Amino acid sequence: NAGVMQNPRHLVRRRGQEARLRCSPMKGHSHVYWYRQLPEEGLKFMVYLQKENIIDESGMPKERFSAEFPKEGPSILRIQQVVRGDSAAYFCASSPGDNLRSYEQYFGPGTRLTVT
Amino acid sequence: AQSVTQLDSQVPVFEEAPVELRCNYSSSVSVYLFWYVQYPNQGLQLLLKYLSGSTLVKGINGFEAEFNKSQTSFHLRKPSVHISDTAEYFCAVTYYGGTSYGKLTFGQGTILTVHP
Repeated sequence: NAGVMQNPRHLVRRRGQEARLRCSPMKGHSHVYWYRQLPEEGLKFMVYLQKENIIDESGMPKERFSAEFPKEGPSILRIQQVVRGDSAAYFCASSPGDNLRSYEQYFGPGTRLTVT
Repeated sequence: AQSVTQLDSQVPVFEEAPVELRCNYSSSVSVYLFWYVQYPNQGLQLLLKYLSGSTLVKGINGFEAEFNKSQTSFHLRKPSVHISDTAEYFCAVTYYGGTSYGKLTFGQGTILTVHP
C-alpha cells in the first residue's frame, strides 16, 4: 500500500511565478491536510480538504494561496506570485476519515519550495 | 485555543542511555496527542498516539509516552537509545469534535542527537 505521495520533492521558483504542489493521499483515504514548515517557526496547519470540498482553511494566508481536492486526481496547493517568504517545506497528510482513525494522519515526504 | 510546548529544543545523549523528551499542552477540551519523528529531509512518521484508554502508550522503535491529564503532559521516553534515533521529534495535539476536524497543532520540535 503506497504511502502519501508528493511531487515535486524540490521546486525552485523565481519571485512572481506560480508554484503548484501536488499530493496523492494513501489509498482509501479521503481527507487531506496541508501543513507548512517555515525555518524557525515549526509546522503550521494550512488547510483541510475532503473530496471536492474545503472544510477548514483557517491557516491559509488570505492572498495568493489556494487549495483543491478534486473528485479525480491529487490535491493541489497553489501559490500565485511567490515571494521569498514562501520558501518552506510543504507537507501533505492524509487520513481515513472514519471514526477514531480519522485522527491518524500519515505524512508525505514534503515539497521543498525555494523562491529565488 | 490549543498550544503545545516542547520544553527542550535540543537533547544530546549517549548511545544506550535513557532519554525523555518533554511535551506540555494547553487545551480547555479533551484532546488526542501524538508524537512524530522527522529524519533529515524527510516527512513525519507517526511514533505513537493517545486517543483513549490506557495512559501509557507504546509506539514504534521502542518509544513510549505517558498521558498525564492533571499535569497536561505527554512526555516521550525510551529506555535505551541508538544512533539511528537521531532525528527531530514533534509533539502534536488535536481535539475531537466541534470545528477541530483533526487538524494538528505542533510543538516547536526537539532535536535528539545520540552520540556514540
